[in-house]
Amino acid sequence: QVQLVQSGAEVKKPGSSVKVSCKASGGTFSNHGINWVRQAPGQGPEWVGGIIPVSGTAYHAQKFQGRVTVTADESTTTAYLELSGLRSEDTALYYCARERPGYCDTSSCYGPFEYWGQGTLVTVSS
Amino acid sequence: DIQMTQSPSTLSASVGDRVTITCRASQSINKWLAWYQQKPGKVPKLLIYKASSLESGVPSRFSGSGSGTEFSLTISSLQPDDFATYYCQQYKSYSYTFGQGTKLEIK
Repeated sequence: QVQLVQSGAEVKKPGSSVKVSCKASGGTFSNHGINWVRQAPGQGPEWVGGIIPVSGTAYHAQKFQGRVTVTADESTTTAYLELSGLRSEDTALYYCARERPGYCDTSSCYGPFEYWGQGTLVTVSS
Repeated sequence: DIQMTQSPSTLSASVGDRVTITCRASQSINKWLAWYQQKPGKVPKLLIYKASSLESGVPSRFSGSGSGTEFSLTISSLQPDDFATYYCQQYKSYSYTFGQGTKLEIK
């Protein structure tokens, strides 16, 4: 039984940074991509970034270039999302989600999101 | 980035109806498409992957079809538990992208 347990809600000032954790249990950690998806109030999901723990290779959406860092610690089966330069528009529920293996090309492997964390509310407010 | 466009944005239907939601990709994604169901205050739930493969435990009234750029999710006979918001998502390549959602409402 795979479970993803995220860290608690955060309230941050504009311009600051936030680091959210996602602890995985059950199944194997290293070979499955862990992704971060955010959802602003009343909006659809938006992919922020992801990582394949066994390689440490991380990816992120272009709009977060320079602001996002996705990491993973295989020894603790925990993934992390750090977002800097926070602005009010970053206020959202942030989910981690584990991929099911789908397919691989020469660059990476990709898959649908099979397991989700419970979400971490990040509020950016002065 | 690959853009995903769903239609309609809102769909009103009755219990027992057959409904179809459409998702269009801005470029070919082969069959690398997933559908999720989300209820208010809940985490998205994977329903369909690889365009037409039913996730374990999902009722058989849900089905998916399509390839390339045109996809659909069909619910053959709506049940009260099905009223929710549905999202498509491409996983052909990074950045993964979602459709804007279709809210299925009770008529």
